[in-house]
Order: sequence, then structure tokens, then C-alpha cells
Amino acid sequence: NAGVTQTPKFRVLKTGQSMTLLCAQDMNHEYMYWYRQDPGMGLRLIHYSVGEGTTAKGEVPDGYNVSRLKKQNFLLGLESAAPSQTSVYFCASNYRIAGSSYEQYFGPGTRLTVT
Amino acid sequence: RKEVEQDPGPFNVPEGATVAFNCTYSNSASQSFFWYRQDCRKEPKLLMSVYSSGNEDGRFTAQLNRASQYISLLIRDSKLSDSATYLCVVSSSVDSGGGADGLTFGKGTHLIIQP
Repeated sequence: NAGVTQTPKFRVLKTGQSMTLLCAQDMNHEYMYWYRQDPGMGLRLIHYSVGEGTTAKGEVPDGYNVSRLKKQNFLLGLESAAPSQTSVYFCASNYRIAGSSYEQYFGPGTRLTVT
Repeated sequence: RKEVEQDPGPFNVPEGATVAFNCTYSNSASQSFFWYRQDCRKEPKLLMSVYSSGNEDGRFTAQLNRASQYISLLIRDSKLSDSATYLCVVSSSVDSGGGADGLTFGKGTHLIIQP
């Protein structure tokens, strides 16, 4: 049971390049999330998904697109990278449990630098 | 705007001492509360959920004060391994799966346990 995995772990992009970050979870979780973490800013939600085939915007969605074609995978795309997107990106997932507290499980993160 | 406020620290504490952190949140509709721990350059991991009646897990005690909109974390007999950043996390979604808002993270309190 690998939990939540992210690919790649590190990446350096030039301004204007595109890339896709892959998140995979083997826990059969319904919900998946993409966050970014910047120094002094804490974790901020980019996009999330409540199930296969559905996505929604979070707090900071501009410049990113996502897709959830399979329940276990959640992809984050940068179509035209900008230096402001230099950050650490975390994927997370959790069960859908109505009326109860829950735990989000995080992947190890992807460190992206845009020059 | 939802906000979660924490003292960023660092808190420098001698080994064996007791240390307490507070966190305030602005959204009175918040439903679920958590403390996450994040080690340097690692992903956040759930330390404990915070229940209305307060809860304890070994050396860790969490309290919730809904009237004053703050939560606290108490660490007794601190260990060197407790050195980390502690994230206060609040969910305002009535669907505890995260729903429309996901989780709102504080920026974290940095704790350093000194030998």
C-alpha cells in the first residue's frame, strides 16, 4: 500500500513551458486535492475533485488545470509556467465520510522551480 | 474571508518542558478542526483531530473553544523528535469530505526542542 504518490519529485522549468504533475492514490479515496505551499503563505488549495470525472476550483486556481479521468489519479497541469508558480506542490486525498472528522493523506510533494 | 492565524514562532523549548500553541479561526461556521505536523521538507501528517470536548493522545492534548474561536495544542514532556512545524487546520464544509472548501491551513508554528 503506497498511499499517495507524486511524480516527479523535482522539476525545473523555463518560463512558458508546460508540464503535468501526476498524483496517484491506492486507498480508493473519493476526494483528491492539489495544494501549493510557499514560504510564509501556508498551504493553499488550487483545485480539488470529489470523484472521478469531476473537478472544482479552490483558492488559487489561475494558471492551472486539472483532470480526474480515473478515481486513483489526479493530474495538475501548467500550460505556460511562470516564475510565480515556483512552489512545492502537494497532492492529498481522503474518504468521503459525512458527519465525521476525516484525515487528508498527503503525497511527498513536488518541488517546482520556474526560471 | 476564512483565516486561520498562528504564531509562527520559532518556539525554542528545552527537552522535557511543556509547550502550548494556540490558533484562532475567523469562520464561525467551521465544523472540523485538526493539528497537522510537518517536518522540514516533508508532507503534512495528521497529528490529531480536535473534538469539542477536548481530547488527549499520549503527551498531546488538544482543546477547542468555539465561543472564542480558538484551538490549542499542549505538548508535555517534550522530546527532541517533537521538533517540527505544527499546522492548525480548519474545515468549514458541512460535508466532512472537504466539499466546496477543502481545508484551511494556518501558516504553522515552528517548534525547536533543545537538548
